[in-house]
This record gives sequence, structure tokens and C-alpha cells, in this order.
Amino acid sequence: AQSVTQLDSQVPVFEEAPVELRCNYSSSVSVYLFWYVQYPNQGLQLLLKYLSGSTLVKGINGFEAEFNKSQTSFHLRKPSVHISDTAEYFCAVTRKTSYDKVIFGPGTSLSVIP
Amino acid sequence: ETGVTQSPTHLIKTRGQQVTLRCSSQSGHNTVSWYQQALGQGPQFIFQYYREEENGRGNFPPRFSGLQFPNYSSELNVNALELDDSALYLCASSKPGGGHPDTQYFGPGTRLTVL
Repeated sequence: AQSVTQLDSQVPVFEEAPVELRCNYSSSVSVYLFWYVQYPNQGLQLLLKYLSGSTLVKGINGFEAEFNKSQTSFHLRKPSVHISDTAEYFCAVTRKTSYDKVIFGPGTSLSVIP
Repeated sequence: ETGVTQSPTHLIKTRGQQVTLRCSSQSGHNTVSWYQQALGQGPQFIFQYYREEENGRGNFPPRFSGLQFPNYSSELNVNALELDDSALYLCASSKPGGGHPDTQYFGPGTRLTVL
């Protein structure tokens, strides 16, 4: 079975500062990895995904993530955050062999302070 | 291109009642997945439908059931509602193929409150 751990439940950061949201996963099979963002009272929006190839993945809104197989991590980064980045961020995995379900982490609440 | 829509947006029920939630998938998508998101938690996979057949199920009891219609829209039915069923129910549509999972596009969700 797969599982996802997001080590920080809340991350406060000042506007224009860099941020890293941490994600570690556990799986006995190869997986695809995703980051989703959820703004208040809205559904989830895909930020980026890692399927194969380059371990550095660039997504929307200036976010990027790096897949590290040896450390089973997929940390999300942004060099300079904006107030509008305040939201809940979810890391997720799905099996490569049968992507019938996506397993989500518990989420990290990012608060950008003016 | 129309996105994923869900209805209703909010719903209040009492324990023991039954509820039906609806989802219209994005144009061209033949797969619908349902998730339960309790307050302050990540979404939990309930089940997935592909071409009108259940294609995978999470750890939810049989009182959670679903349907997918020929136009790929879907329903989630929950019988004998319990207080713990209070949550945001998310529907996501996708179009698997080509050896990679296609992106799941999420609807805005239905907020269910069980009193």
C-alpha cells in the first residue's frame, strides 16, 4: 500500500520569501507523484506532476518540485511567495501499475504574511 | 470546454437518511473518481468508475455506492447516514490512456452536513 506524509501541517512565511513544503511517500511499487492546491471553499487544482524523466518538475504559478527516489521525497518549492499563494497544499501518489486511485497526504496549510 | 460540476453545493441531512450527490465530468473524460474530505484532512478515495463499471474502491463500507451513466456523469449514494459522514465530497474526472495517468480534474465539491 502507498502512504504520504507531509511533515508540516502549517507553514507561515513572509511575502516574497522562499518556501519549501515537504512530502515523503512510502510504496512497495513505483509511483507517480502530484502536488495539488486547494483554495478556501474550492476544489483541488493540479500544480504539477512527476511521471518520469527529469527529477525537477516545474508547475503553474512558479512552483517546482524535485523527485528524490533514494529519499522517497517530493518537496515543493517556490522562490518568492505571494499573498495569493495562501492555501492548502496536498501531496499525492498513485501506482504506476494501476492508477485507479490517488492517495493524498494530510495537507500543509501555507499562510503568506504581508 | 466545460469543467467538472457537482450538485448540490451544500446539503444538510439527519442520521439514518440517504443522500445522492451528482457529478458531471469534463467533456471527453470517461473516468470519474469520488473522494471524501473531512475537515482538516486530505481527500480519501472512495471509488472510481470507468465506462460505467466500478474500477477500484477504497476503504469505505457498502452503504457508499455509485453509478456512472452513458454520458459519463456519475452519482454517489450514501445510505444510513452517520455523523462521521459529514465532509466535503469531491468528484474528479480524467481520461486515462497512453500509459500514463491523465490529470484528475476536480469539481468544487458538495459539502454534506449530517445532524
